[in-house]
Amino acid sequence: QKEVEQDPGPLSVPEGAIVSLNCTYSNSAFQYFMWYRQYSRKGPELLMYTYSSGNKEDGRFTAQVDKSSKYISLFIRDSQPSDSATYLCAMSVGNNRLAFGKGNQVVVIP
Amino acid sequence: DTAVSQTPKYLVTQMGNDKSIKCEQNLGHDTMYWYKQDSKKFLKIMFSYNNKELIINETVPNRFSPKSPDKAHLNLHINSLELGDSAVYFCASSRALSGNTIYFGEGSWLTVV
Repeated sequence: QKEVEQDPGPLSVPEGAIVSLNCTYSNSAFQYFMWYRQYSRKGPELLMYTYSSGNKEDGRFTAQVDKSSKYISLFIRDSQPSDSATYLCAMSVGNNRLAFGKGNQVVVIP
Repeated sequence: DTAVSQTPKYLVTQMGNDKSIKCEQNLGHDTMYWYKQDSKKFLKIMFSYNNKELIINETVPNRFSPKSPDKAHLNLHINSLELGDSAVYFCASSRALSGNTIYFGEGSWLTVV
């Protein structure tokens, strides 16, 4: 079993819809949880960063962490065509070794 | 200003050749990394350096040798390239050894033919 599982998709949604992405993980020692956005032919860009359990909101983006279920989510409200990208979850125990999910390709259709 | 820059962006080379990818960060970070992203988009750490000192060396063939002349630079040299080395290589940096917020470069697309 991989440390981090993420359904690669692709996920197609109409513009304005809510995008829901999630990852599960097996290592209960993970404390730091991140979402990266990667556009085609570009490097991953840090989108959201959360420590331990709870929710974090930044504009149209909400990240949720449920450590009891080993499950994290990213929600994108009012999705735009510019949100079309691959979204990667990543997590860490607090050292500089990130474990990444495979990435989930999202396509927002105008 | 580009925070983490790496060159070249695209590299096509023949099997058996030796090539290098250079990376520089202007963020003042102490820790730098090399990640590899395969054709299935899976991103995996290869090496990590903190203040020019090797911290992480994942199970990577000896043909891959990182070099950090100073904490703002981390280069990757690959000897005797193989077809399976074709991938995207990302340089990254973070503020500290416990850096959980890691900033990536644009990537170097390596194709071995």
